[in-house]
Amino acid sequence: DADVTQTPRNRITKTGKRIMLECSQTKGHDRMYWYRQDPGLGLRLIYYSFDVKDINKGEISDGYSVSRQAQAKFSLSLESAIPNQTALYFCATRAGGEYTEAFFGQGTRLTVV
Amino acid sequence: QQQVKQSPQSLIVQKGGISIINCAYENTAFDYFPWYQQVPGKGPALLIAIRPDVSEKKEGRFTISFNKSAKQFSLHIMDSQPGDSATYFCAATLNSNSGYALNFGKGTSLLVTP
Repeated sequence: DADVTQTPRNRITKTGKRIMLECSQTKGHDRMYWYRQDPGLGLRLIYYSFDVKDINKGEISDGYSVSRQAQAKFSLSLESAIPNQTALYFCATRAGGEYTEAFFGQGTRLTVV
Repeated sequence: QQQVKQSPQSLIVQKGGISIINCAYENTAFDYFPWYQQVPGKGPALLIAIRPDVSEKKEGRFTISFNKSAKQFSLHIMDSQPGDSATYFCAATLNSNSGYALNFGKGTSLLVTP
């Protein structure tokens, strides 16, 4: 099983619908992140969490919300999806410290029509 | 704004050649500079990383060169192979209240031709 698992892997939804992307990890890491990847724009940070009680906005948090249900679970929600939220979304985890590796899930490809 | 600037956007190299990808940053507080490799259908995976107290790090065919005064770092892939074809991202992280989040460059799509 993958260390960082994202569900669903692919999703097509309609404009205005609420959608949740889920992430679970078996690494035991406290830090979890949601990134968005768009062609030519790289990976941009949406939200990050130090632990279940500490959630912070990243550079592109507008239109998104998150929930840290447990150390191992971090969900990203689009309350009212819009077409420009069509992108590839990645969840990642890191152990504490400055020089640690980030582990990414396989991504969720979201299309908003 | 993009905190890490990466170039080129795409790169084509013949098998056996040297691939070079460059990155620049502004924030002198950044203290960890990893490179990630992404193949289609997968998430990025750590390739190699460097701290600012050294000027070069080599792992096999992959070398990071780091110039602290110029605030630049680069990835060199020696003897490039078709299997190296992927998208490469440089990144930097800040030792502060940012949750050690990685700030990524926009990526370089590398194609190594046979």
